Amino acid sequence: ETGVTQSPTHLIKTRGQQVTLRCSSQSGHNTVSWYQQALGQGPQFIFQYYREEENGRGNFPPRFSGLQFPNYSSELNVNALELDDSALYLCASSLSAGGHNEQFFGPGTRLTVL
Amino acid sequence: KNQVEQSPQSLIILEGKNCTLQCNYTVSPFSNLRWYKQDTGRGPVSLTIMTFSENTKSNGRYTATLDADTKQSSLHITASQLSDSASYICVVSEIAGNTGKLIFGQGTTLQVKP
Repeated sequence: ETGVTQSPTHLIKTRGQQVTLRCSSQSGHNTVSWYQQALGQGPQFIFQYYREEENGRGNFPPRFSGLQFPNYSSELNVNALELDDSALYLCASSLSAGGHNEQFFGPGTRLTVL
Repeated sequence: KNQVEQSPQSLIILEGKNCTLQCNYTVSPFSNLRWYKQDTGRGPVSLTIMTFSENTKSNGRYTATLDADTKQSSLHITASQLSDSASYICVVSEIAGNTGKLIFGQGTTLQVKP
């Protein structure tokens, strides 16, 4: 176990709805990164939060947004859900930002959009 | 074009046998190269992390190699066990400001049979 927790574990939504996914980082970690993993694919970087500020973003539209709280937990919000948003959403926490820091992954949230 | 390519896509071996998984990447410059193991429906777990100056790194029965000149890495699994059945993902940490963005390969699915 990495100490990174995510909720909920599974979620079913319909097209057009909005969803909020949550992540609690490992103790002592101030950086959270979010990834989308479609079935049979490797994870794709969505964005990273470092000390409550967005610190880098992948190739995802603005309807993917996030937040990091003073305790360094984080939320991923997706508006106007599309069928292609169905995926495993992973968050990873690290001691700090920067490529040399190991990222510890949570178990993921499986989102199904109908 | 994917910046991290893995081969083979899938592999079936008998328990006790060895196997080698391949990774080619074009990410440059990069901070480090990692191999992760991901069980179905779970978050990835780090096996090895190598900087560009390291040639090899071992973690028990897992040995990773890195050739930064040819931009190739391999993961060798010795004396495979049933519990090694999983997806193995090669990940390159891109130097992009202070983000440490991870770029994932699509993974190699390994099945170890008794």
